[in-house]
Amino acid sequence: DQQVKQNSPSLSVQEGRISILNCDYTNSMFDYFLWYKKYPAEGPTFLISISSIKDKNEDGRFTVFLNKSAKHLSLHIVPSQPGDSAVYFCAASALFPSGAGSYQLTFGKGTKLSVIP
Amino acid sequence: DAGVTQSPTHLIKTRGQQVTLRCSPKSGHDTVSWYQQALGQGPQFIFQYYEEEERQRGNFPDRFSGHQFPNYSSELNVNALLLGDSALYLCASSLGHLNTEAFFGQGTRLTVV
Repeated sequence: DQQVKQNSPSLSVQEGRISILNCDYTNSMFDYFLWYKKYPAEGPTFLISISSIKDKNEDGRFTVFLNKSAKHLSLHIVPSQPGDSAVYFCAASALFPSGAGSYQLTFGKGTKLSVIP
Repeated sequence: DAGVTQSPTHLIKTRGQQVTLRCSPKSGHDTVSWYQQALGQGPQFIFQYYEEEERQRGNFPDRFSGHQFPNYSSELNVNALLLGDSALYLCASSLGHLNTEAFFGQGTRLTVV
């Protein structure tokens, strides 16, 4: 039973356009969400996070949107650059109260983004 | 500032053998979590060590065990290796046990033959 789902295994976008990566979750206890980027032969690199008390968080070209009622979040990259080509993982955690999910990140299967020059 | 370092980077073992993987957390971090990433999947939580104790465990058998040392570094041990244990093993470190920003190492690629 996948608690975090990234339903698009891959996405291709032209350089300079917007990339939108989607993530859905089923566990209502999740209240903190993170996006990681992973290049081949490297570990995941933290990109941006959002707490459930917010619905948007921005960091440069990266913006994460959270829709708690729909249990959906998305990562927007504007403008997309060829160096953004990587696998993007959505991850979720339960910070409060301290329960079974507090100590772990639950990941989706990832979306491979290809930015075409 | 050294990030999370893991050793070795690659390892080939025979079915039934035992393996030990090592992790040094990012400077200033005191918590280490281990994840298994199979091909085409997202990382799966194995367990977390905080204050030298296993704080939480994912859905992995007892063949998977670990340890955290006073300097916060950690080891992951897998006994009686199965072919299905072939995966990328990732170590993540954070400050405190809450994963508000966990930093990952480059991983150890384990191949069981």
